[in-house]
Amino acid sequence: GDSVTQMEGPVTLSEEAFLTINCTYTATGYPSLFWYVQYPGEGLQLLLKATKADDKGSNKGFEATYRKETTSFHLEKGSVQVSDSAVYFCALRITSGTYKYIFGTGTRLKVLA
Amino acid sequence: EAQVTQNPRYLITVTGKKLTVTCSQNMNHEYMSWYRQDPGLGLRQIYYSMNVEVTDKGDVPEGYKVSRKEKRNFPLILESPSPNQTSLYFCASSSQGGYTEAFFGQGTRLTVV
Repeated sequence: GDSVTQMEGPVTLSEEAFLTINCTYTATGYPSLFWYVQYPGEGLQLLLKATKADDKGSNKGFEATYRKETTSFHLEKGSVQVSDSAVYFCALRITSGTYKYIFGTGTRLKVLA
Repeated sequence: EAQVTQNPRYLITVTGKKLTVTCSQNMNHEYMSWYRQDPGLGLRQIYYSMNVEVTDKGDVPEGYKVSRKEKRNFPLILESPSPNQTSLYFCASSSQGGYTEAFFGQGTRLTVV
């Protein structure tokens, strides 16, 4: 069935370090792909998205490219800040039928000053 | 302001006492869904609705009910809560179709003792 696999955390980085959080998916057809961020005590917020192969989503210095050949959507940021500390979720949405969202298990990022 | 509103934010109840968590959105979205978030398991879909009077089971529907009598509201009902339903619950809404993101409520932390 359809699924999303993302790297387990926690990930601990120093401020200004480079961030990569890996995400791969399994889906029939061509899903849309998303990264969400969850700050403590809050709901999930959309960080970025891509709806077709080779699309690059970007927001607040974060980027991810929809790679159909490797079924991946890895999240990257060149220089993290303490304020980026949060839990990051990779997700896909089926583009027909149920239009269901499927989420990964989340990766906790902690950035140290 | 576009938003999804859940109430209550926190709830402690006893086993077997029926409860309802409300969810309302002001974006005229057709698609609404409920998730539970548990450590190490990410977000799992409980129920979803593609429009008024149209609901269907998600991945973990046992012990839950929903209704969709109006487009903006999608309450989650626990007829006889049990301790294994202690969790963090999120309501989300989105447009129909596979290319749009979900908007999440702030979450409801439920404890069943």
